[in-house]
Amino acid sequence: EVQLVESGGGLVKPGGSLRLSCASSGLAFSNAWMIWVRQPPGKGLEWVGRIKSNSGGGTTDRAEPVKGRFTLSRDDSKNTFYLEMNSLKTEDTAIYYCTTGYSDSSGGYHGDDAFDVWGQGTMVTVSS
Amino acid sequence: QSALTQPPSASGSPGQSVTISCTGTSSDVGNYNYVSWYQQHPGKAPKLMIYEVNKRPSGVPDRFSGSKSGNTASLTVSGLQDEDGADYYCSSYAGSKILLFGGGTKLTVL
Repeated sequence: EVQLVESGGGLVKPGGSLRLSCASSGLAFSNAWMIWVRQPPGKGLEWVGRIKSNSGGGTTDRAEPVKGRFTLSRDDSKNTFYLEMNSLKTEDTAIYYCTTGYSDSSGGYHGDDAFDVWGQGTMVTVSS
Repeated sequence: QSALTQPPSASGSPGQSVTISCTGTSSDVGNYNYVSWYQQHPGKAPKLMIYEVNKRPSGVPDRFSGSKSGNTASLTVSGLQDEDGADYYCSSYAGSKILLFGGGTKLTVL
């Protein structure tokens, strides 16, 4: 069974930093594109960013609100994916989910448009 | 304000059908057949229900179907069951913006 487990959330002051981790098991991690999605309390989902597999170039892309502040990285030797968050703002308060692209039955891979395995989420609260 | 527009709520009685819309623009929904739908129960992570507009992952009941016309995608749930009550989110590939989500629709089974 594929599992993703996030950790590293907590309470941080505005302007502070935090690093989230997403550990995977049962997943061909080195081939997977990994994604962060966040959800503010009581609100909808927001795509935060994605890192491609190293064989896919390892390219990262981030949503406009987090560009220049958040960095995505991966350590394939540890099957772990990271989100480094700096200059945090109150509007970054959310549950942060890690997820992975969906491999369909026809051999297609949906790294940027469909995500089938999700972690349980980790809460990040930015408040003074 | 979310990038894709969904109605905040929808409802139906058991056995009925309900359709939830998701309106974007010619830069996202209208330009790509990469619309997905997710179901989220309270306190749980989202679950992929539909991908590529109208395809179901293994294990998703065929009561769930998707379609698209122009800049608007739709999710239809037929033969509503109590466990279908949840929040539903659409998403669309959006080129350089990568991925946009809708604001979500709370489906209530009456």
